Parts: sequence; C-alpha cells; structure tokens
Amino acid sequence: GQNIDQPTEMTATEGAIVQINCTYQTSGFNGLFWYQQHAGEAPTFLSYNVLDGLEEKGRFSSFLSRSKGYSYLLLKELQMKDSASYLCAVTPRGQAGTALIFGKGTTLSVSS
Amino acid sequence: ETGVTQTPRHLVMGMTNKKSLKCEQHLGHNAMYWYKQSAKKPLELMFVYSLEERVENNSVPSRFSPECPNSSHLFLHLHTLQPEDSALYLCASSQDLAGLSNSPLHFGNGTRLTVT
Repeated sequence: GQNIDQPTEMTATEGAIVQINCTYQTSGFNGLFWYQQHAGEAPTFLSYNVLDGLEEKGRFSSFLSRSKGYSYLLLKELQMKDSASYLCAVTPRGQAGTALIFGKGTTLSVSS
Repeated sequence: ETGVTQTPRHLVMGMTNKKSLKCEQHLGHNAMYWYKQSAKKPLELMFVYSLEERVENNSVPSRFSPECPNSSHLFLHLHTLQPEDSALYLCASSQDLAGLSNSPLHFGNGTRLTVT
C-alpha cells in the first residue's frame, strides 16, 4: 500500500527554525516533493529530492534518506508569511498511470 | 496569462444539477490532472491525462466525467453529485507525466464545490 505520514500541526515563532518530518512507504520510489499551500490558494512547488542528502534553497532546505523512507523540510528565519500547510508528496517508480501521492499536510502557524 | 487557471472559483449545486469545471494551462505542459482536496484528508488523484489521452481512471465514481479536448484544456463534468462530493477540486499540469519523471506539478487555485 501507499502511506505518507507527517505531523498534522506545528507552531513556531518568527525568526526561529522549524523542521517538518515526512515518512513514506510506497510501491517504488522516484522522488519526493515538498509543496506549500496557503489557505484558499494553490499548492506551490518548493523542492524535489531523489538522491540522499540535503538540498538547500534560500531559507528552505529539504533532506532525504531513501533507506529510511524519511524526509524533512527545514525552514529557517521564519516569517509570518510562512504560515501555511506543507505537503509531502512521493512519486512511485515508473508507473505511467500515477501521479504524486500526497500526505495530509502539516499546518504551520508562525506567531510574533 | 500564465500558469494554471480554473473556473469557476466557487460553485454551489444541487444533487440533480449538471455542471462543469474548467481548467486551462498556459505552460506548454503535456500532462494534466484532477485532484480532490477534502478537509483532513490528503490530496486524492482522480484523473491523469497525457497528450489528451486518459492514462488512469483512479476508481472515481461515474458521476465525475473528465474531458481533455487538447493539451491545454481539461474539464470535469459533474452530474447527480452527493453532498460528500463537496470539496476543493484542483487541476494541475506538469511537463511530463509525474509518474515517469521528476516534473513538478503546477496547480490552479481550485474550484470550491458545495453540493446541497
């Protein structure tokens, strides 16, 4: 079966660092995506990992361990505008008829 | 216009109505998708199209009927829906099929559907 787990909610303060974890069990693996979704808006692409290690993009970094079925999204120097839902999604390997499988999302609330 | 555009943004319909959701992408992508987003649930894949051909029907009830007349447009025709079908319906596109590549999905803002 396909299963992606992430915490439902997290809170943090401005300027802090927060780590959002994601674990997955899927039939094959062809990459992991992180998306950000503000309330009432479309999900937007943040990062993609297919090899083990850390990918850094400004204040956001994403880490992957394929052997552990584990990823995290690291947000540094948090700002109020980072309050959003963060979606972890996995592409199963080589299946034409599938697209991304999403977790339920983690709602992050940033306070001042 | 750029990106993925969905209309209408909001739709209220009765269970006996017939309506259609429209999606248009201006990115030159080859694949398009319909997802359903309900509260407290993960995004659920409904339909996948690649170059206007349906690749997968993900066991979606027949009261949802997709149509892809060309690679830029995607419709979701709705008829005799149930109240539990109330949700946010998101359209997305990607350069190539997400299942076979690392192409990220680009989403529209969605249609908030309420079935009364």
